[in-house]
Formats: sequence, C-alpha cells, structure tokens
Amino acid sequence: DQQVKQNSPSLSVQEGRISILNCDYTNSMFDYFLWYKKYPAEGPTFLISISSIKDKNEDGRFTVFLNKSAKHLSLHIVPSQPGDSAVYFCAAGNAGNMLTFGGGTRLMVKP
Amino acid sequence: NAGVMQNPRHLVRRRGQEARLRCSPMKGHSHVYWYRQLPEEGLKFMVYLQKENIIDESGMPKERFSAEFPKEGPSILRIQQVVRGDSAAYFCASSPTGTGVTEAFFGQGTRLTVV
Repeated sequence: DQQVKQNSPSLSVQEGRISILNCDYTNSMFDYFLWYKKYPAEGPTFLISISSIKDKNEDGRFTVFLNKSAKHLSLHIVPSQPGDSAVYFCAAGNAGNMLTFGGGTRLMVKP
Repeated sequence: NAGVMQNPRHLVRRRGQEARLRCSPMKGHSHVYWYRQLPEEGLKFMVYLQKENIIDESGMPKERFSAEFPKEGPSILRIQQVVRGDSAAYFCASSPTGTGVTEAFFGQGTRLTVV
C-alpha cells in the first residue's frame, strides 16, 4: 500500500516554462513534506520542504504547495532550466518516523 | 564536513555470495536510514537505525538481510546468499535528530549487481 504516490512517471517541459510535479499521500499523520532531486548515479539531494502548518514555501525558482484537505502537494519550478532535468522524489514524514518516498517523476527540460 | 560516505560505489557478487555495504554518516549524525532503489522504481525504505539500535526494520526482507550500526564504525547492510533480484542501488541517509522532520542527507549509493 503506497502511502506516497507520484502518478506521473515522467514530464517534459520547454526551457523557460513552468514545471509542475505532483504528489499525493494517504496518511493524515504526515506533518512534514520534502522534495528531493536525483541525478543518475548520484544520491538524492534535498531540494525544499514544507511543514503541514503551511500551505506554501518558496525558495528561488522552487515553490512547494500543500493542500492538506486533498492530501496533495506539488512542486513548481519556474523558469525551468535544462539543468533541472532529473528525477524528483517527494517524501513525507512525521516526528519520530522515517521518510516515506514516492516513486519519482523524471523531469526533462528541453532547450 | 564530509557528506554521507558509502562504499563500495559498485559491487558485483555471484549468486549465493554475501554482500556488505558500508555507510558512514555525516559527522554529528547518529541516525541512519537505508533505502533501496530497484531498476525503474522509486526509493523504498528498508531500515532505520540509531547507534547500536534498530529502530524500524519494517521495510527489510525477513530473510537474508540484516543491518547494524555499531557504537564505533560505519553502518553495515549485509545481504547473505544474494540472488539476482537483489540487484539494485542501495542508498544510505543520515540525519542529526532522527525525528524524520528534518531533511536526511544521502550518500551516493552502492550499486549492487548480482551475476
């Protein structure tokens, strides 16, 4: 039973446009959400996070939105750059617990 | 401050052999997590350890797999009698608090190939 789901395995976007990556979760006990970025042959690197008491967190070109009632979060990248091409994982956790990851979305930004 | 160090980066084992994967957490981190990424799949939690304790091993296969994080030295993920289905990338992450509410920092992974 997947508690964190990323339903789009891949996404292709033109450089300069917005990339929107989506993530759904089922466990209402999650109170912290993170996005990781992963290049081939490397470990995931932390990108941005959001606490459940917020509905938006912004860091430069990256913004994460949280809709608790829908149990949905999304990552917006604008403007998208070719260097953003990677696999993006969303993860969820709560105090005293480990992170649960989604299956990942492969983002391809075309020049 | 070095990041999370995993070795070896690549490991080839024949079916039936043992695989030992090592993870040295970041300095000051006492919580270690192991994840596995099968080909074309996402990251799957295996085990969460603190120094000398296994906190959560709910993601670990019941047989052939074991993990430890001794008082001194790296965390070890051990796979006995490997089979082809064990071929995957194994990632270790560490965190300073273990609460799960701060980001965990990942190593570069060990890619295990069973031939």
